[in-house]
Amino acid sequence: DQQVKQNSPSLSVQEGRISILNCDYTNSMFDYFLWYKKYPAEGPTFLISISSIKDKNEDGRFTVFLNKSAKHLSLHIVPSQPGDSAVYFCAASGQAGTALIFGKGTTLSVSS
Amino acid sequence: GAVVSQHPSRVICKSGTSVKIECRSLDFQATTMFWYRQFPKQSLMLMATSNEGSKATYEQGVEKDKFLINHASLTLSTLTVTSAHPEDSSFYICSAMGLTLETQYFGPGTRLLVL
Repeated sequence: DQQVKQNSPSLSVQEGRISILNCDYTNSMFDYFLWYKKYPAEGPTFLISISSIKDKNEDGRFTVFLNKSAKHLSLHIVPSQPGDSAVYFCAASGQAGTALIFGKGTTLSVSS
Repeated sequence: GAVVSQHPSRVICKSGTSVKIECRSLDFQATTMFWYRQFPKQSLMLMATSNEGSKATYEQGVEKDKFLINHASLTLSTLTVTSAHPEDSSFYICSAMGLTLETQYFGPGTRLLVL
């Protein structure tokens, strides 16, 4: 049973528009969530994180929103750029810095 | 930022042979390293947690005698796939976490192909 779910395998967005990537989780014990970006044949690169005591965290063009009651988080990228095209993984853990449970990823394609 | 390297980046081996993959934290000391495996179009699956100077903790379903992990120093962990079979072909990724790091930093991964 998957504890972290990314139900959209792919997303296509035009340059300059907003990209919204969604993630759902089932384990209420998760209290730390992260987003990673991954290019083919490379390891994931950390993007942004949020702890369960917050509902929003912003870093430049990237904002992560957390809805604990719905067990849902989302990553907003605005404005989207062609260089943002990659696979985005949502991950969760029981506490910051421990083993991560990953979703299957969403492939984002940003066209110019 | 923190840098984690893996070697080799790609390896092809014959069935029945053993393959060693190295994971190094280049600019920080990693008390804990993690090993993940990713199959095509799947998520990264945690295989084991490696703490410096102690035995690794394996996830359920991962054979510890097949996937030998050694974390001999604060900057190096190795994963040895023993008696490799074609079904072991995958993308293996390590990550490292230090005392002062909030998050894990991942290596670039190793593509293993067993013929």
